[in-house]
Amino acid sequence: KQEVTQIPAALSVPEGENLVLNCSFTDSAIYNLQWFRQDPGKGLTSLLLIQSSQREQTSGRLNASLDKSSGRSTLYIAASQPGDSATYLCAVDSGGYQKVTFGTGTKLQVIP
Amino acid sequence: NAGVTQTPKFRILKIGQSMTLQCTQDMNHNYMYWYRQDPGMGLKLIYYSVGAGITDKGEVPNGYNVSRSTTEDFPLRLELAAPSQTSVYFCASDGDVSNEKLFFGSGTQLSVL
Repeated sequence: KQEVTQIPAALSVPEGENLVLNCSFTDSAIYNLQWFRQDPGKGLTSLLLIQSSQREQTSGRLNASLDKSSGRSTLYIAASQPGDSATYLCAVDSGGYQKVTFGTGTKLQVIP
Repeated sequence: NAGVTQTPKFRILKIGQSMTLQCTQDMNHNYMYWYRQDPGMGLKLIYYSVGAGITDKGEVPNGYNVSRSTTEDFPLRLELAAPSQTSVYFCASDGDVSNEKLFFGSGTQLSVL
């Protein structure tokens, strides 16, 4: 059974700092991995999706990497802003209709 | 383009009551899902559907039922609500088994007292 872990559960950084969020998974046989952002009281918004054949994806100040062999993914946020404050979740698609296993998230606070 | 729309946003139920959580999407996605999110836990899949008329159980289906009469709509029915069903419920959809992003609704916060 796929298990997805995100450490730390919470992170606080000053504005402008570059930061890395971590995601680890136990089964390397995956189709893709997604990083989501969740704001309080809101749904999840997909930020980046990395296919199993890819090593990284970039969108603006966000860069996600994937290392299947080690069961790890990182989300790099450059020049963090207070508006980046949210909970970030990773989700691993292991195939099949039961498909996606979610981590419990990292709650990020960017302090002005 | 509204995406995935869920109603209601909040609801309080008494033990033993029933209710239906509504979910509709306008992206012509075949695949739809219901998740619940509990504090400190990852999202858990309740039910999913791969197209109109086809539904199946996820990881935590007990106490819930679904139907999928159209591509757009995927309601979740709670029968005989219990305190253990207090949670935040999310509906999601995507258009392909493994190659597309999941789109989520804004969630329904349900309390059973």
